[in-house]
Amino acid sequence: SQQGEEDPQALSIQEGENATMNCSYKTSINNLQWYRQNSGRGLVHLILIRSNEREKHSGRLRVTLDTSKKSSSLLITASRAADTASYFCATPHYSGYSTLTFGKGTMLLVSP
Amino acid sequence: DGGITQSPKYLFRKEGQNVTLSCEQNLNHDAMYWYRQDPGQGLRLIYYSQIVNDFQKGDIAEGYSVSREKKESFPLTVTSAQKNPTAFYLCASSSGTGGYYEQYFGPGTRLTVT
Repeated sequence: SQQGEEDPQALSIQEGENATMNCSYKTSINNLQWYRQNSGRGLVHLILIRSNEREKHSGRLRVTLDTSKKSSSLLITASRAADTASYFCATPHYSGYSTLTFGKGTMLLVSP
Repeated sequence: DGGITQSPKYLFRKEGQNVTLSCEQNLNHDAMYWYRQDPGQGLRLIYYSQIVNDFQKGDIAEGYSVSREKKESFPLTVTSAQKNPTAFYLCASSSGTGGYYEQYFGPGTRLTVT
């Protein structure tokens, strides 16, 4: 099973609206990362939030982390058509591998 | 330009043939990874390497093999033993391991086996 699970699986909004995606995980973590993937491309790192941080901002992105609920959210404000992509959360691998484990992602469609 | 390159972008093979996917990085990263992505799915770890001449199996290593003879290169061979090899393959690297480091991804190779 996977460590992180995103919700919703798909999200469709209009340009200018805000988009919120959630990630839940199962075991204690020291950090959580968010990545974006445009269709047919590699993933691009967006932001890393540490377990002692509650909120982090990067441009139009806002990430929160609630370790008591084992959940994180990614908010994209004032969405643009170029934000259309799949968004993945990633956490340290639950099996002890020195790498990350990724959720199945949220597919975001931003219509003009 | 620094980054990760994967070649080719598309690869077609007949069933029963081995095929090698290339991954090169010039970021001077110690760690490199191979993931498989199926439609609508997340990434699944095939193999990873923390340092030259060393690599470890991931969640789905059966039917795959790797080598890490140079820091810059981490080729993946999909063998005929892999039951369902058609997928999108992603290579990544990071400056360190332990799940605390940002991973940099290549553009991917889409493999189709018929």
